[in-house]
Amino acid sequence: GAGVSQTPSNKVTEKGKYVELRCDPISGHTALYWYRQSLGQGPEFLIYFQGTGAADDSGLPNDRFFAVRPEGSVSTLKIQRTERGDSAVYLCASSAGGGPTDTQYFGPGTRLTVL
Amino acid sequence: AQKVTQAQTEISVVEKEDVTLDCVYETRDTTYYLFWYKQPPSGELVFLIRRNSFDEQNEISGRYSWNFQKSTSSFNFTITASQVVDSAVYFCALSEDNFGNEKLTFGTGTRLTIIP
Repeated sequence: GAGVSQTPSNKVTEKGKYVELRCDPISGHTALYWYRQSLGQGPEFLIYFQGTGAADDSGLPNDRFFAVRPEGSVSTLKIQRTERGDSAVYLCASSAGGGPTDTQYFGPGTRLTVL
Repeated sequence: AQKVTQAQTEISVVEKEDVTLDCVYETRDTTYYLFWYKQPPSGELVFLIRRNSFDEQNEISGRYSWNFQKSTSSFNFTITASQVVDSAVYFCALSEDNFGNEKLTFGTGTRLTIIP
């Protein structure tokens, strides 16, 4: 079956603009995670969805970042008033139920560049 | 707070040599899960293994093996008879048992280069 997909693969924007990044999880997976990976670093947790609700958004850096998952499948990460420091690869992962025996499968990421 | 340390930033070995990637973790929980992921040049993270804290048995999968030692809080990864295709960045990660929230804490990764 299809894996996790993310669009766009690359996004270049100007400082101050608004961007949306999309994640399509593996079909049937109820848990969805967003991570951010800066150059030379490991991925850092941003937000976790179980179904439609954001169960843990403790990793969002500030209120310019917001994510939704209205139907419990596709998720959109939204960044307002982008800053150069937001430049990174944004990774999405999904798992079957979010439980301790579930494995997170990652998408290819969206590389965001803020000029 | 949980933390994962991968002290080796970069490693280069000649093809067919064995290589061990180190991972040390910190957690206050008694129940936790450890992972290794591979990130090839294409960028997509590939799951390799998951271990839970109650299972300290070492595991072997083909040329890959993992050594989990709770006494030293380490979860090291060995590749035997390395191949060029093993070249990638390898990440060790930890998650705590948070009633379904399996958010991962990653180390900074080890870049492995296999020289033909």
